[in-house]
Amino acid sequence: QSVLTQPPSASGTPGQKVTISCSGSNSNIGSNTVNWYQQLPGTAPIVLIYSNNQRPSGVPDRFSASKSGTSASLAISGLQSEDEADYYCAAWDASLNGVLFGGGTKVTVL
Amino acid sequence: EMQLVESGGALVQPGGSLRLSCAASGFTFSNYAMHWVRQAPGKGLEYVSTISSNGGSTFYASSVKGRFTISRDNSRNTLYLQMGSLRVEDMAVYYCARDGAYCGGDCYSESALFDDWGQGTLVTVSS
Repeated sequence: QSVLTQPPSASGTPGQKVTISCSGSNSNIGSNTVNWYQQLPGTAPIVLIYSNNQRPSGVPDRFSASKSGTSASLAISGLQSEDEADYYCAAWDASLNGVLFGGGTKVTVL
Repeated sequence: EMQLVESGGALVQPGGSLRLSCAASGFTFSNYAMHWVRQAPGKGLEYVSTISSNGGSTFYASSVKGRFTISRDNSRNTLYLQMGSLRVEDMAVYYCARDGAYCGGDCYSESALFDDWGQGTLVTVSS
């Protein structure tokens, strides 16, 4: 199964801004909405961003996301130690008739 | 409070079978499509399967198509995953997840939005 392409890792010091990219194709990101999931160590994932750029209630506005063409990105501003986690993008793929996840990006706070 | 509780994970030999269950509570189960997502040890999330709200439509990842069957019993508020011809590469924590879209009738969304997840159940495939 193909995956959406994410960098395997990203890092920053507290207070910095970190950006994670997610690259796909016309059959997934290019034609469907993108969601982002955060997975803290040892826990199940949670929705961080849905419909390309919407934050569920309770998600700090330090988290933002955007989509353009066949790519999407997640930004974490004012990085905090509790942001250390794995982040995944996801989108429906019309060719595969199923969901694609990105490979995941591990964010480390230095 | 909505809750999803998976069960059925176990140690099974290659070629064996297993059925996972996901008990749902705190919401109207029959109004939501449901999904299975897995995560191999130390690896990323992998989509497994989707079933529409009344079970009329099902979708599978190519890696499990023909070997796994997703089903649901709306009278019991339970989602299932029947796994057959298990391989070592099927070893993972299996999560059930609720679709983010409320729907009436038999429907599903192509949103890839999983708005709530269970805690997962571990399937180990080894001889």
